[in-house]
Amino acid sequence: GAVVSQHPSWVICKSGTSVKIECRSLDFQATTMFWYRQFPKQSLMLMATSNEGSKATYEQGVEKDKFLINHASLTLSTLTVTSAHPEDSSFYICSTGPSTDTQYFGPGTRLTVL
Amino acid sequence: QKEVEQNSGPLSVPEGAIASLNCTYSDRGSQSFFWYRQYSGKSPELIMFIYSNGDKEDGRFTAQLNKASQYVSLLIRDSQPSDSATYLCALRRRDSSYKLIFGSGTRLLVRP
Repeated sequence: GAVVSQHPSWVICKSGTSVKIECRSLDFQATTMFWYRQFPKQSLMLMATSNEGSKATYEQGVEKDKFLINHASLTLSTLTVTSAHPEDSSFYICSTGPSTDTQYFGPGTRLTVL
Repeated sequence: QKEVEQNSGPLSVPEGAIASLNCTYSDRGSQSFFWYRQYSGKSPELIMFIYSNGDKEDGRFTAQLNKASQYVSLLIRDSQPSDSATYLCALRRRDSSYKLIFGSGTRLLVRP
């Protein structure tokens, strides 16, 4: 069964609003979670590394004030897309795992900004 | 030069054939290599990982790693139409972080 869950699976919002996406590890504690974004017919692009109890580490070119990450517990990380615009429409996926060599992806969240 | 390079495909093989998917990488210090399968509209699923030179087999899948030539491949034996998907190659850098760097993926089409 699934070991990583995401919620919601899809969301449609108006431009300028904020959207929160949750990523949960179901069977293990996750001190580190990763957030990816995937545009249609493109590969996954790592956005940031979420660290439990400390600040997230963002990849170059990713605005940390726009993509807020909170990793408040060992089983939950959240990504908030603030003031979303149509160009933020994408497939957002988290990944985590019980070990460095066993990283599982969540089912993804499809965001559409109108 | 991209860190991880894959031919975008599509690679088309008949049902029952062996599908061979290849991936090259630029950083010789890369430590671990992963193959994921992604169906359209879904998130990637881990197939297997490899970190030692040679072959690693898991069911119908065999991963091959050649660090001297900086390539990693995935063989799928007895290909089935349900194997039709995009296959993503990923590596973990030598900087000891857990993050994975992905190639752009190869689309595989298995013809019935």
